Amino acid sequence: QSVLTQPPSASGTPGQRVTISCSGSSSNIRSNYVYWYQQLPGTAPKLLIYRNNQRPSGVPDRFSGSKSGTSASLAISGLRSEDEADYYCASWDDSLSGVLFGGGTKLTVL
Amino acid sequence: EVQLVESGGGLVQPGGSLRLSCAASGFTFTNYWMSWVRQAPGKGLEWVANIKQDGSEKYYVDSVKGRFTISRDNAKNSLYLQMYSLRAEDTAVYYCARDLAYCGGGSCYPGAFDIWGQGTMVTVSS
Repeated sequence: QSVLTQPPSASGTPGQRVTISCSGSSSNIRSNYVYWYQQLPGTAPKLLIYRNNQRPSGVPDRFSGSKSGTSASLAISGLRSEDEADYYCASWDDSLSGVLFGGGTKLTVL
Repeated sequence: EVQLVESGGGLVQPGGSLRLSCAASGFTFTNYWMSWVRQAPGKGLEWVANIKQDGSEKYYVDSVKGRFTISRDNAKNSLYLQMYSLRAEDTAVYYCARDLAYCGGGSCYPGAFDIWGQGTMVTVSS
């Protein structure tokens, strides 16, 4: 059972804005950076957001991250069919001395 | 080209051992923390272990402590995961990942895996 909690599924229609939440605690999200990953079927994960809200080179600005207290969110605007994937949040946990991943959210583009 | 290539996966009996390798190329290996992340069939991602640039710090998920050992050979640009006492629940694709691990104020914040290998499958079954 993940200590970072994500909704198992999310959906939206093309062009819509969708948000995915990630709930943690004071030992992880509150006191450390949050990262977001996208995993397309059959492929390795891809870093989407680092340091809570920074995008690596090549990631479209349709993807944005935010953090407040013990929670974080990934927002995807202008939803496209190619955004259909699994999304994971992650953060270091000071109590466990390890990286935690959320359970993942499967995004469906209707 | 920046690349990570894993090898060493396969079928092993419960209680057996396996050593995974990850060959890095296209970047200065000694500048980065490195991690192993696994994904059981149809399941989510699970971080397994990481190691600091010089090997002086290593961290493990509780479920593998005492059974798995992460190491690196900076002269060979290689990362390893030695796995002992394997269990059925260790069955997964194992990914090698480069970790940006931002450091500041005396602390480092691992978890930003910006480069991933293609993964190697480990199956623990009799």
